[in-house]
Parts: sequence; C-alpha cells; structure tokens
Amino acid sequence: QPVLTQPPSSSASPGESARLTCTLPSDINVGSYNIYWYQQKPGSPPRYLLYYYSDSDKGQGSGVPSRFSGSKDASANTGILLISGLQSEDEADYYCMIWPSNAWVFGGGTKLTVL
Amino acid sequence: QITLKESGPTLVKPTQTLTLTCTFSGFSLSTSGVGVGWIRQPPGKALEWLALIYWNDDKRYSPSLKSRLTITKDTSKNQVVLTMTNMDPVDTATYYCARTQGPLTGVDYWGQGTLVTVSS
Repeated sequence: QPVLTQPPSSSASPGESARLTCTLPSDINVGSYNIYWYQQKPGSPPRYLLYYYSDSDKGQGSGVPSRFSGSKDASANTGILLISGLQSEDEADYYCMIWPSNAWVFGGGTKLTVL
Repeated sequence: QITLKESGPTLVKPTQTLTLTCTFSGFSLSTSGVGVGWIRQPPGKALEWLALIYWNDDKRYSPSLKSRLTITKDTSKNQVVLTMTNMDPVDTATYYCARTQGPLTGVDYWGQGTLVTVSS
C-alpha cells in the first residue's frame, strides 16, 4: 500500500491560517485521487472534514465550517488542508486519506498546535 | 441519527483470535453504496485501515493483514463482525468501525472505538 507523508507537527496562531500537507509517493498521481481529511482530538474518534478532487469536485462533511478547505499542489504531488481563521478548538491531529482500489490508505497524521 | 458502536474483549492473549462486533443504527447495510469498515490506532500512533464490507457483500482487506482478517455482516441485526487471528502485542490498539456511502462522502461516521490490549 502507498505511504502518505504528513509532517509530524505544525503550529500557527489564532486567527492565522494553517496549511497542512499530504504528499503522495511519486508513483501515485495526486490528480487521480480524492484526498480526504479527518480531524482527531484526544480521546475521540476521527471526524470527517472534507474531500477534495478538484475545485468542481469536492465535498464538505456535515457541519464542518467553510474555513476548512482542500486543494492540491500537482507540482509537489501533494494534497493540502487549509484552515483559515484558526481557533483554539482546531488544535488536534489531522489525517489525510486516499481510496485506491477499494482500500483506505491513511497518512501518518499532523499534530496542529494553535499557539 | 447515525451511530456505530464497537464491542468485544478488552484483553486477549497472544496467539488468540479477536472477534469484534460493530453494531450500528440510523442506516442500512443493504442500501446500495453503503459500506462499513474497520480501522485501528495503536496508542499514540496513526490510523491503519483493516477491512471493509459493502452492501453487496463485497469484501476488501488490508494486504498486509489479509491472511489474518475476516469481515462479515448480518444485515438483519445491523452488525458487522471482524475477526483477527493470531493476535500479537503489536496489535494492541483502539479499534474503530466506520461507515461510508462511497467515495463522494468519505468515511463519514465513526464509532467511539474500543481499546484491545494483547498481553499474556
């Protein structure tokens, strides 16, 4: 199974934006996959945030604020989660996922600290 | 309201077989496109997908664990069962079940998870 690479940690201040990345291996084209994002707080299960394929093919999870958005950087073969207007409650672990051939593949997760 | 709840032993011995049950409500696993999967998370580590079963009984397994896993469903009871053989201490983790309605919805509802410890 492919390995999705996420930076172990990231930090930003309240009100700023956080850009979390999910890099696919070179033999898998990010342009061919939905990138899913999940938020997990300590002691809780993951929460589905959104998926992003393209600007015309994306979806937001139920009740997820619009300040969570997705994008891709094809040149870096990377999926991106952008969180704007950071709030203290956004401090959590964030996981990306792809869905190749009826399998779910998760990244290693990024711990986001809101300073 | 959609809910999923995992149940099973909290402690298993090495080499034993683990059987976990996911009991859900608020949706039907006989509805086209719906699937229920299992994901685990060792303490302090990342999520790892294990298995997935669809409404049509199509089953998918993690390649690295396929030989040890079996997933089944009982639509009438709204349950999905995962068995994992030959348990080892490295299998100690919180095990989650979760629902999907397909690639356009992702894995949208998760159970609270159940911690399984493998120790003699």
